Amino acid sequence: DGGITQSPKYLFRKEGQNVTLSCEQNLNHDAMYWYRQDPGQGLRLIYYSQIVNDFQKGDIAEGYSVSREKKESFPLTVTSAQKNPTAFYLCASSPTGAPANYGYTFGSGTRLTVV
Amino acid sequence: AQKITQTQPGMFVQEKEAVTLDCTYDTSDPSYGLFWYKQPSSGEMIFLIYQGSYDQQNATEGRYSLNFQKARKSANLVISASQLGDSAMYFCAMREGDGGFKTIFGAGTRLFVKA
Repeated sequence: DGGITQSPKYLFRKEGQNVTLSCEQNLNHDAMYWYRQDPGQGLRLIYYSQIVNDFQKGDIAEGYSVSREKKESFPLTVTSAQKNPTAFYLCASSPTGAPANYGYTFGSGTRLTVV
Repeated sequence: AQKITQTQPGMFVQEKEAVTLDCTYDTSDPSYGLFWYKQPSSGEMIFLIYQGSYDQQNATEGRYSLNFQKARKSANLVISASQLGDSAMYFCAMREGDGGFKTIFGAGTRLFVKA
């Protein structure tokens, strides 16, 4: 079955370390997204990519970096510059040119904790 | 700036009864889409229903319906005949423009279904 795989499910990081969250999809979707979820704040957009080798900053991109070298993959790196990285991270995808009523497909998320 | 507001942090409903989850939005774009997603405890976001700004009729998908009041800028989700499996977080979301790539989310409402 097609879907989005995020790994790992749980991740612990020491302060000052960079860490990379994986997101892989086999839906043949062009667009991919990273959201951060904090309690009581809903989801906030970190980065998105509409096509391979291209990506745009979302609303809270500071302290994060991404790459899109392959259509299937959109890894997110949480750098040491991110002041409060402990959160739940969700990856999503959608096809370019889809009807307006096409909702995103989401992965099952990665819970990052800084220790 | 576009904004989504969900004013109910938590809601309780008796099994088999209907429940309404509130959502108001703000945008200056005449073309937009409104979405509802369900997030079970597993963490994955599940797309439920969509309403386009130009749609004349309220959207329905099985037990889910969207009470769209454009003049009031509200898009409430109605779940009929609640089931125990409906217990989850519910997020209202909005995407501006035709084929826009950025979707913003509300803070969510946690629904508890009582047996």
